[in-house]
Amino acid sequence: EAGVAQSPRYKIIEKRQSVAFWCNPISGHATLYWYQQILGQGPKLLIQFQNNGVVDDSQLPKDRFSAERLKGVDSTLKIQPAKLEDSAVYLCASSYTGLGVGEQFFGPGTRLTVL
Amino acid sequence: GENVEQHPSTLSVQEGDSAVIKCTYSDSASNYFPWYKQELGKRPQLIIDIRSNVGEKKDQRIAVTLNKTAKHFSLHITETQPEDSAVYFCAALYYGGSQGNLIFGKGTKLSVKP
Repeated sequence: EAGVAQSPRYKIIEKRQSVAFWCNPISGHATLYWYQQILGQGPKLLIQFQNNGVVDDSQLPKDRFSAERLKGVDSTLKIQPAKLEDSAVYLCASSYTGLGVGEQFFGPGTRLTVL
Repeated sequence: GENVEQHPSTLSVQEGDSAVIKCTYSDSASNYFPWYKQELGKRPQLIIDIRSNVGEKKDQRIAVTLNKTAKHFSLHITETQPEDSAVYFCAALYYGGSQGNLIFGKGTKLSVKP
């Protein structure tokens, strides 16, 4: 089966600019996750969707980060405006079931550098 | 809040030796504990997971043990090979909201020397 797709793979922007990431989950996976992985750390959940609804965005810095999954398939994550500390790899993952107990399949990630 | 501690942060072994990585978690309600392997520049991939109704699970050279009383779980890799070199992350499922979320440890960089 095709894996989780993400684009772009790399992005370099200056602070205060905006950036958007795109994710296409595995076909049939209802649950989609966005993670932030800072260098040398484990992935940290930003937001979780079940179909097109948000089920957990408690760790999302809502003053600058937003995400949507309008049709319950693809998702976009936006940062506006970016800060230096947003430099990280943004990973998208999907799973067949919700409740976190199903295997999460990760995409290749988008490496963001904020200068 | 929920926390997962992972040790050691780096581990170097000779090819053929065993490697052990340990994690502790804080939420006694956690019942699912996956381990992910992340090679340099690549995506994390699930290598093994364990649920709270069992104490040990094996898959070829990889095994995971779980002690729910002590709230810790460990990854054991036997007969290590150079291709086992990667960063390994443990995670625990945390039911802080309506759905479970995975909380990851900070990772262990395993180096297997030929």
